[in-house]
Amino acid sequence: QKEVEQDPGPLSVPEGAIVSLNCTYSNSAFQYFMWYRQYSRKGPELLMYTYSSGNKEDGRFTAQVDKSSKYISLFIRDSQPSDSATYLCAMSAVNAGNMLTFGGGTRLMVKP
Amino acid sequence: GAGVSQSPSNKVTEKGKDVELRCDPISGHTALYWYRQSLGQGLEFLIYFQGNSAPDKSGLPSDRFSAERTGGSVSTLTIQRTQQEDSAVYLCASSSLLRYEQYFGPGTRLTVT
Repeated sequence: QKEVEQDPGPLSVPEGAIVSLNCTYSNSAFQYFMWYRQYSRKGPELLMYTYSSGNKEDGRFTAQVDKSSKYISLFIRDSQPSDSATYLCAMSAVNAGNMLTFGGGTRLMVKP
Repeated sequence: GAGVSQSPSNKVTEKGKDVELRCDPISGHTALYWYRQSLGQGLEFLIYFQGNSAPDKSGLPSDRFSAERTGGSVSTLTIQRTQQEDSAVYLCASSSLLRYEQYFGPGTRLTVT
């Protein structure tokens, strides 16, 4: 079993929908959680970064961390076709030397 | 400011040849990482440099792979005697000391024929 699990999708939604992307993990030492967006043939782009549990909002994006359930989510409101990409979750433990463990990515398609 | 840059963007090589991939991290970032991403796969960690410390090579898949970082800045990933299974996108990332967010370059797409 992988340390970080992520449904590969694809997830297809109509423009304007609320999108929910999720990751589960098994390592209770993970404290830092990140979401990356990767367009086709591009490098991953950092979207959101949270520490420990709670919510963080940035524009149309909200990241949630539930450490008790070992579950993190990224919500995208008013989704746009330009949001169509692969979304990767990543996480790290304290004193892990900045090492990130990535999920496999979820491919999102937002249809006009 | 300038992000992470990588060169070349694409590389096609014949099986058995050696290749060198270059990464130029964000200025001031002390940590540098190499990853490999195969078609439809997640990111596979290869090697990690932090300042002047010995690199963490635990992710290198074979002894055909090596990397160096000169002057704490630019890094080169070398693959000797390339095999077809080495075909992938090689991504480089950098981060600041004590920061967990990594910033990625655009990657080098390697095709071994």
